[in-house]
Amino acid sequence: EPEVTQTPSHQVTQMGQEVILRCVPISNHLYFYWYRQILGQKVEFLVSFYNNEISEKSEIFDDQFSVERPDGSNFTLKIRSTKLEDSAMYFCASSELASGVGEQFFGPGTRLTVL
Amino acid sequence: SQQGEEDPQALSIQEGENATMNCSYKTSINNLQWYRQNSGRGLVHLILIRSNEREKHSGRLRVTLDTSKKSSSLLITASRAADTASYFCATVLENTGNQFYFGTGTSLTVIP
Repeated sequence: EPEVTQTPSHQVTQMGQEVILRCVPISNHLYFYWYRQILGQKVEFLVSFYNNEISEKSEIFDDQFSVERPDGSNFTLKIRSTKLEDSAMYFCASSELASGVGEQFFGPGTRLTVL
Repeated sequence: SQQGEEDPQALSIQEGENATMNCSYKTSINNLQWYRQNSGRGLVHLILIRSNEREKHSGRLRVTLDTSKKSSSLLITASRAADTASYFCATVLENTGNQFYFGTGTSLTVIP
């Protein structure tokens, strides 16, 4: 069964460093998303991506965040200068149809720890 | 204000019993989806119910949606220890894009 994959599973970085989180969405999906979940809190939407551009982003997704689909299979989230409060689980998701119509499939997550 | 709120926050039952979790939301939606999350793991999609549907079944899962009350329930019948997880509802607001709003979750413990 197709699934969303994410690498690495755990990333440890120093405050102020740049990190890139990688995701491989399900191959025939057209919509891609990033979410984060701070420990013990709810899952929060960061950004959605369709047709090679950001279609929606939340207030959390400020200038230090960027997303890219560098090739036909990968979808990346870059955090330019990490802060302690960026420590969280980051989930990538993809869907064949827009969220208003179809379900989103989530990857296993990358645990980011900022020291 | 929170778009999705589940209750109860925590639920503990014996194996074989049924578990019911509820989700309330505040604004009109296109659809509502239920997800399961095992501790420290990713989110697994369980079921999607559209705003024009009232009930849906999938195996031991039964989901209802009452748009007049802006609420949904997830029923797990004949629970198993493997059902132990957190359960979240996620809504997509009507006439908006793709942003999912997740609830705070119900932590379900099924005691063998």
